[in-house]
Amino acid sequence: ETGVTQTPRHLVMGMTNKKSLKCEQHLGHNAMYWYKQSAKKPLELMFVYSLEERVENNSVPSRFSPECPNSSHLFLHLHTLQPEDSALYLCASSQEPTYNSPLHFGNGTRLTVT
Amino acid sequence: SQQGEEDPQALSIQEGENATMNCSYKTSINNLQWYRQNSGRGLVHLILIRSNEREKHSGRLRVTLDTSKKSSSLLITASRAADTASYFCAYPSSGGSYIPTFGRGTSLIVHP
Repeated sequence: ETGVTQTPRHLVMGMTNKKSLKCEQHLGHNAMYWYKQSAKKPLELMFVYSLEERVENNSVPSRFSPECPNSSHLFLHLHTLQPEDSALYLCASSQEPTYNSPLHFGNGTRLTVT
Repeated sequence: SQQGEEDPQALSIQEGENATMNCSYKTSINNLQWYRQNSGRGLVHLILIRSNEREKHSGRLRVTLDTSKKSSSLLITASRAADTASYFCAYPSSGGSYIPTFGRGTSLIVHP
C-alpha cells in the first residue's frame, strides 16, 4: 500500500487526444514530482512542485502541462503527444524538496500513445 | 551528463546467494540513496547513507559508500525470490542540486 495514488494505471491515447494524469498523496508532504520512465533509459525528472509552486521544469515539451492545485494533488495534462512519449509516468512526493528527503512513489500510469 | 551508472546492468542468481550491485556517481554528495522497483510498480526507498558514513545496514541489506572513489555498493544477503526487482541508486544531479538523479538500475533476478 503506497501513500501516493496515481490514476489511471493504464492509458491509451491518440496523438490528437487530451488527457490528464492524476496523483494524490496522503502523507502530508510538501513537495511533489513527476518522473518519466522509458524502457532502457534512466528516470527523467520532469517537474517539481513545492507547496504548490513549481520549482523545477526540466526542459519538458509544452505538450506536457503540470498543475498543482494544493499540496496533496498533482496533475499532468497531456495534449497532442507523440508515440515516443509512451512511457511509465511516475509521481512522487517528499517531506521537503531537498535531497535529504526520500521520495515516496506512486505505482505510475502506463501511457501508450498511438 | 551528470548521471552515473549501476553495475552490473543485470544479475541472475540462485535463492540463498548474495547479490552485490555497484553505483558510481559524478557529483559531490551529502548522501546517497538506494531504491527498489518491482516490475510495473513505483520505486520504494530502501536506505540512505550519509557522506560521513562508510557502511550502513538494514535487515539483509548492507550499503557501503566510498566518497573518494565516488562509488557505493548494495549487498543483499541470503537472497530470496521476492528480492527480484530493479535496484537504483540516487544522488544529486549536480553539486548544488537538491533533486535526486537516478541511475539506469540493476535488474536482479533471484531464481527459487
